[in-house]
Parts: sequence; structure tokens; C-alpha cells
Amino acid sequence: QITLKESGPTLVKPTQTLTLTCTFSGFSLTTTGVGVGWIRQPPGKALEWLALIYWDDDKRYIPSLRSRLTITKDTSRNQVVLTMTNMDPVDTATYYCAHRPFDSSGHLRFDPWGQGTLVTVSS
Amino acid sequence: DIQMTQSPSSLSASVGDRVTIPCRASEDISSYLNWYQQKPGKAPELLIFAASSLQSGVPSRFSGSGSGTDFTLTISSLQPEDFATYYCQQSYNAPWTFGQGTKVEIK
Repeated sequence: QITLKESGPTLVKPTQTLTLTCTFSGFSLTTTGVGVGWIRQPPGKALEWLALIYWDDDKRYIPSLRSRLTITKDTSRNQVVLTMTNMDPVDTATYYCAHRPFDSSGHLRFDPWGQGTLVTVSS
Repeated sequence: DIQMTQSPSSLSASVGDRVTIPCRASEDISSYLNWYQQKPGKAPELLIFAASSLQSGVPSRFSGSGSGTDFTLTISSLQPEDFATYYCQQSYNAPWTFGQGTKVEIK
């Protein structure tokens, strides 16, 4: 059974850096084709994909936030870390991490997702 | 970026109804389309991937169709537990974008 869980601060101040950790079990980030992604959802709004890291350390970022985001992995601890710099109130959202399973046909999907963590940006 | 459009943003239906939820991509994405269900306060759950492949464990009343730019999620007989918000997501290329969601409400 694959599970993921996000952890990090619930409140950050504007201009601060947010660091979120995704701790997972039931799969390995050394397995070919596997990845972990981050997706966020502002209150009452739609989902927005942010970043994805693959088993081979290949990384993808949403272009609009590329300069503020860093995604890394620690395979020995089964963790993926997302940092976002220069936080702003508009970044207030629930942040999810999700498993990207291997697919021989190349179809990306996110399954399953962590429970999410609400991050509020306010002074 | 590929834009995903879901309209309407909400619809009302009754238990037992056949419900269809459309999703349109701003360019041809072949069959690179996923559907997720999200209930209030919960994380999204994958229903359909590759436009029409049912995720393991998902009831067979859910089905997906379409290719290119136009896609549809169908619930053949709406159940009480199906009242939720449904999102489409293109997996054709990064950034992997989601639609704005369609909320299925009780009539």
C-alpha cells in the first residue's frame, strides 16, 4: 500500500521561505519511471501542479514559479522536499504531494495523493 | 501551456441520473487525459487515466471517453457518494495543467 504524508509549517510570513516534506512508503524513488509531484490548491479554487522529481533525479517545474521552487529527494529516508522562496499571501493553499507511478506507455498520472497540508501566508 | 476548460463549473443531478462532465483542451493532447474526484476536505483521487482507462478499485459506473481536444467523464447512475468535484488534467506535456473543476450537486 502506497501512502504519502506532507509536513511543514502551517503559517509563514510574507517573504519567508517555505519548506515542505513529503514522507512516503510503499514504493521506492529508485524504481525506474517513478516520481513524486507537488500540487497545490488555494481555498475554494482549482488544483495547480508545481513540481515533479523522477527516480533519476530529473526535475520539472511549473514555468511561472520556476525561479522560486526547488524539489529534491532523499531516497534513503523516503522523502521529497519542496522549497518555495519569497512567499506571498497568494501562495496560501493546501499543498499536496502525490505518487507518479511508472507507465510503460508514458501516461503520467498522480496516484495516490497525500492528505495535504494547509499553508497560510500572513504577517 | 495547455489550457483545460471545464464547463459548467457546477451541475445539479439526482441519484440514479446519468451524468456527463465535459473537458476541453486548448490543443490536441491525444489520449493524455486524467480524471480525478475530490470530496470536501479530502485529497483528489484518480478515477480515469489515459482518457478511458479505469483506475483499479474505481466503480464501473465511471467511464471516460474522448481524444484530441474533447473529453467526457460519464457516471452511468449517480450514487450518493458521487457528489463531489471532478477535475480533468492533461498529461501530454509539462506543465501538467488541471481544469477548473465541475461540482456535482444534489438536485
